[in-house]
Amino acid sequence: DIQMTQSPSSLSAVVGERVTLTCRASQDIANNLDWFQQKPGKAPKLLIFAAYRLNSGVPSRFSGSGSGKDYTLTISSLQPEDFATYFCQQYYDFPWTFGQGARVEIK
Amino acid sequence: QVQLQESGPGLVTPSETLSLTCSVSVDSMRSYRWSWIRRPPGKGLEWIGYISFSGSRNYNPSLKSRVTMSLDTSKSQFYLTMMSVTSADTAVYFCAGGDGSGSWTDYWGQGVLVTVSS
Repeated sequence: DIQMTQSPSSLSAVVGERVTLTCRASQDIANNLDWFQQKPGKAPKLLIFAAYRLNSGVPSRFSGSGSGKDYTLTISSLQPEDFATYFCQQYYDFPWTFGQGARVEIK
Repeated sequence: QVQLQESGPGLVTPSETLSLTCSVSVDSMRSYRWSWIRRPPGKGLEWIGYISFSGSRNYNPSLKSRVTMSLDTSKSQFYLTMMSVTSADTAVYFCAGGDGSGSWTDYWGQGVLVTVSS
């Protein structure tokens, strides 16, 4: 199975701060990567698909980048509604696998 | 907008069978892959498998021997059956779907907690 490792596992940030989350795959996944946001008790929400494509309706402060094994989700200016858990998912190969998640908390 | 909602018993006895239903609000279930995903307490997400309209299925090898997925387009529902459950199967179970134009898991339900205990 392809292992997905997210870093950091949690961080504290203030409103307006630039936040960068990283997801590393155990092998090249050729941009077959999605990023999701999840809030407690809510359904996960797709933010970025295919590594860098912004999902419809998602604010432009979210962006994705990367290639090969290493991928990044950036929030350019953190807003109050962005405090949540973020996770990545690869669909390059079966079984699809997920990162363990990164919690973004208020500082 | 596609909406999904999981339903099923919140408590299952060890060695018995877990059965969940995902009710989907979508124009057509065609062209989608419909997945089940779970999150055990304190652990990360685990993809269980998917089923498509054509009936093709792909299961996680770690669960394949115990899992069956099926689909009823007339009811706009798909299903998960997991046999011989143990406490390790205690988790929040999510259903999800996507047509691949974005992701294969664009849309998710809120999840349902299933506890395996006697």
